[in-house]
Amino acid sequence: NAGVTQTPKFQVLKTGQSMTLQCAQDMNHEYMSWYRQDPGMGLRLIHYSVGAGITDQGEVPNGYNVSRSTTEDFPLRLLSAAPSQTSVYFCASSYSPGGGITDTQYFGPGTRLTVL
Amino acid sequence: DAKTTQPPSMDCAEGRAANLPCNHSTISGNEYVYWYRQIHSQGPQYIIHGLKNNETNEMASLIITEDRKSSTLILPHATLRDTAVYYCIVRGISGTYKYIFGTGTRLKVLA
Repeated sequence: NAGVTQTPKFQVLKTGQSMTLQCAQDMNHEYMSWYRQDPGMGLRLIHYSVGAGITDQGEVPNGYNVSRSTTEDFPLRLLSAAPSQTSVYFCASSYSPGGGITDTQYFGPGTRLTVL
Repeated sequence: DAKTTQPPSMDCAEGRAANLPCNHSTISGNEYVYWYRQIHSQGPQYIIHGLKNNETNEMASLIITEDRKSSTLILPHATLRDTAVYYCIVRGISGTYKYIFGTGTRLKVLA
């Protein structure tokens, strides 16, 4: 298993540009989520999904869109990049939400995004 | 899901036990306590979880108080590689599906 993969690893955007951060998992996990981590800060939940076709907002959803058309993929779209979105973005997945060993999250390596 | 409170930072001497506390006073009966850690800028890594009983695995031990309002993660013999940010999270079927991490405890293991 490759686990959770994220592309790209690094990205530089100009203000106003749009882009999609890719996230894929090959563990047949139902739950997937996106976090952002600003320097010296903890992780903040952006969006999450409990299965294909189902998404919901996290703590900081503004400026981001998600969709979940397959179990494996959960892309994150930046609609119009702003310098405040400069951050490290982590994707995570778990077999199923709701507690217990199946709710253990596996994280990708992260995408480091800089918006100029 | 219940909210957690952790000290922002702690130091521990190498080879000694590191005891990281977490308060979760609003935890409900079917909510689990999870611990993760994040080394440098890597993605967080699962350490251990528990419901009511104390738990131990190859990485750490988790002690949950009888009233379940607090817990302690124990790294029995801390090494320099254990320097990381440690997150305590409460999860269960009674809350939403939001997996909230918070700010964690920055543990520094000193040589």
